[in-house]
Amino acid sequence: EVQLVESGGGLIQPGGPLRLSCAASGFTFNSHWMHWVRQAPGKGLVWVSSISPDGSGTVYADSVKGRFTISRDNARNTLYLQMESLRAEDTAVYYCVREVCGGGDCKLFDSWGQGGLVTVSS
Amino acid sequence: DIVMTQTPLSSPVTLGQPASISCRSSQSLVHSDGNIYLSWLQQRPGQPPRLLIYKNSNRFSGVPDRFSGSGAGTDFTLKISRVEAEDVGVYYCMQATHFPYTFGQGTKLEIK
Repeated sequence: EVQLVESGGGLIQPGGPLRLSCAASGFTFNSHWMHWVRQAPGKGLVWVSSISPDGSGTVYADSVKGRFTISRDNARNTLYLQMESLRAEDTAVYYCVREVCGGGDCKLFDSWGQGGLVTVSS
Repeated sequence: DIVMTQTPLSSPVTLGQPASISCRSSQSLVHSDGNIYLSWLQQRPGQPPRLLIYKNSNRFSGVPDRFSGSGAGTDFTLKISRVEAEDVGVYYCMQATHFPYTFGQGTKLEIK
């Protein structure tokens, strides 16, 4: 069974750093693109960042570029999101998402973690 | 960035009746590989999103066949043939043809 479990969320002051982790299990982690998607309280979904299976390719939303860093440790089956210079508008539930590509079908965002809440407030 | 516009934003539906949600993109979602990477996701209250439809019209594993997706170019539709109580939630379209990936605002499906 595919499992994605986020951790590391919490309350952080504006300007501070925080690192989210996503522990993956039940599948071959190093074969999949992985993504972070966030959802502010009561709001819609917003794509944040993506990383290629080997970690060599990364993409960011403009709103987080230069402040957030996505990475992965394929030996530990773990995805990370290092967040710096946090702002109130970064307050959201952050979802770790697996993308499936195979058998002629790609870009299936088929598995979502339960989400980790990040609250940026003084 | 591609803007995804959903209508309606709220849809009260009678149990057993059909429902339809529209999603319009500001640009074509046809990828250079010829595919349309338009997905539909369902988010039940208090839950993470769940994939329903991928590549415009393909139902994901385990999704009831009352859900169907269609469309072309910039206009897409999610249809539920007969709404059941478990279908209550917010539905999002999402494009993954071009970075940055973008979502519609969400359509809240509720029972009358």
